[in-house]
Amino acid sequence: GQQLNQSPQSMFIQEGEDVSMNCTSSSIFNTWLWYKQEPGEGPVLLIALYKAGELTSNGRLTAQFGITRKDSFLNISASIPSDVGIYFCAGLGNEKLTFGTGTRLTIIP
Amino acid sequence: NAGVTQTPKFQVLKTGQSMTLQCAQDMNHEYMSWYRQDPGMGLRLIHYSVGAGITDQGEVPNGYNVSRSTTEDFPLRLLSAAPSQTSVYFCASSHGTSGTNTGELFFGEGSRLTVL
Repeated sequence: GQQLNQSPQSMFIQEGEDVSMNCTSSSIFNTWLWYKQEPGEGPVLLIALYKAGELTSNGRLTAQFGITRKDSFLNISASIPSDVGIYFCAGLGNEKLTFGTGTRLTIIP
Repeated sequence: NAGVTQTPKFQVLKTGQSMTLQCAQDMNHEYMSWYRQDPGMGLRLIHYSVGAGITDQGEVPNGYNVSRSTTEDFPLRLLSAAPSQTSVYFCASSHGTSGTNTGELFFGEGSRLTVL
């Protein structure tokens, strides 16, 4: 099946720092999405990208759909404690959504 | 508006036992799916459905059955549980037209299953 490589696997940052994570694929996707999962809950959609080269923001979050359609990036500016969680990228192709392995974000007090 | 509701939240089974994980959504979504989440492996698609009466296999379907008799419900059945099926299971639905998956999934809170 399709593989999504997400990096980094984990991040330990201080409050106020900016965060960057990315996702690469061996296959082309028509849609890229970013989800966040908090402990004991299901993932929640943060941002959806529908066009190669698209740059979309949602508050302090900014995501980009790579021009090759094989990658995507998520940036979080000025992190706050509630940003803690696991962030997943996901690519949509042939009606099936494939998820990356996740980036666990921890904020050091 | 309850969204996607999964039951039970926790379950312990012995090897060889059978059980059904229930999933219901009240958003009139045609597309529904089941994922399993294991440490370091993200979420993997088990089965999905684009509408009542239609189901299809995902990436890891072996050992699981599904049915879709109504738009609202999409139960996942384990016929003979194995330790390898110990995982957290998530049901999700999507609002795409004609059952298409837009990728914009609404997830339930998950069902944690342990098989001894």
